Amino acid sequence: KNEVEQSPQNLTAQEGEFITINCSYSVGISALHWLQQHPGGGIVSLFMLSSGKKKHGRLIATINIQEKHSSLHITASHPRDSAVYICAVRPPTDKLIFGTGTRLQVFP
Amino acid sequence: GAVVSQHPSRVICKSGTSVKIECRSLDFQATTMFWYRQFPKQSLMLMATSNEGSKATYEQGVEKDKFLINHASLTLSTLTVTSAHPEDSSFYICSARDFYSLSTDEQFFGPGTRLTVL
Repeated sequence: KNEVEQSPQNLTAQEGEFITINCSYSVGISALHWLQQHPGGGIVSLFMLSSGKKKHGRLIATINIQEKHSSLHITASHPRDSAVYICAVRPPTDKLIFGTGTRLQVFP
Repeated sequence: GAVVSQHPSRVICKSGTSVKIECRSLDFQATTMFWYRQFPKQSLMLMATSNEGSKATYEQGVEKDKFLINHASLTLSTLTVTSAHPEDSSFYICSARDFYSLSTDEQFFGPGTRLTVL
């Protein structure tokens, strides 16, 4: 079993829909990252969380440390949101552990 | 936000040649940089952790003589794939940690380098 599990693996949506991507992990962590990878491959860091909730534009990330779970929400989704969204956790060691990603396609 | 660049973005080389990939932190100093590789439709795999002025720490299964890492300054780390073979074809991504950041958890990712070995 992977230490970081994401669901769903693939997600399609119509423009304007509210989207939720989930991440569960099984290790103790100091931080959790949400990353976005576009088809060209480059990675953008969206959020780094250690507790609570963060919001940036149409993106919201939440984390529940006790339940070892985080969610990434996209409000009013747009085709440009189409990408792979990756959850990564940082245990007290240095190394990030990555989920396998959620492939999102938003259709106009 | 902090910017990390990689050069080249894409490289095609013949089997047996060596390829150097650069990772630069453009507007901050990075004492630690990380090198990852990613195969198609798979997640990132950490190859090595590069610390400025000291030897890199390689992950289990990564050949240090094949993947040479040099972190000679606070803004530059290089990964050299020596005697490249087709199985080394992959997407290589670096990330960097800001020396002056209050959070040691924060990493900034480069845009990646796609290596194709013929």
